[in-house]
Amino acid sequence: AQTVTQSQPEMSVQEAETVTLSCTYDTSESDYYLFWYKQPPSRQMILVIRQEAYKQQNATENRFSVNFQKAAKSFSLKISDSQLGDAAMYFCAYRSAYGNNDMRFGAGTRLTVKP
Amino acid sequence: EPEVTQTPSHQVTQMGQEVILRCVPISNHLYFYWYRQILGQKVEFLVSFYNNEISEKSEIFDDQFSVERPDGSNFTLKIRSTKLEDSAMYFCASSDRTGANQPQHFGDGTRLSIL
Repeated sequence: AQTVTQSQPEMSVQEAETVTLSCTYDTSESDYYLFWYKQPPSRQMILVIRQEAYKQQNATENRFSVNFQKAAKSFSLKISDSQLGDAAMYFCAYRSAYGNNDMRFGAGTRLTVKP
Repeated sequence: EPEVTQTPSHQVTQMGQEVILRCVPISNHLYFYWYRQILGQKVEFLVSFYNNEISEKSEIFDDQFSVERPDGSNFTLKIRSTKLEDSAMYFCASSDRTGANQPQHFGDGTRLSIL
């Protein structure tokens, strides 16, 4: 079974600085998709960024980018120029490209942004 | 932007009672999901639903759970006889197409507290 691990329960960053959230996963599959979701205090889970495993190029979405290392099964999220509105729980998620398309989530990282 | 809406935001129920959690997915979406998150733990997949039937379900989704799409807009999760360990945040999600690269759009969640 696929598992997703986020080893940082909490992270803190100064406003305007850069922070990296870690995520590793375990799978025997070769084709899959990875996601980062943000859950602010308002509770709604919001998609931040996604990465296809077959793509070598790291996904980028404005201030958010990933460092996808397929061999190492690592998928970290970098937030540049952090803003107060970035404060939230961040969940890394895995989704198989085969059969069952449910998402497997990590435990989450709570990000605090200091003014 | 269209949203997945869930009601109620917080449900308190006596152990052994039935509870129904309601979700209104995004209107043109065809695939529906329920996830739960026990406090301090990972978001876990419960069930996916398409074309008026369950597509996949996890081992958590036992005979106490059922899902239904009673009309064209609502998607409900019923827990027949609640247990203390059912206390969790329950998230509904929907997507417009299946395929692992399609993002799932999440609702705000319903916090279920079993007394």
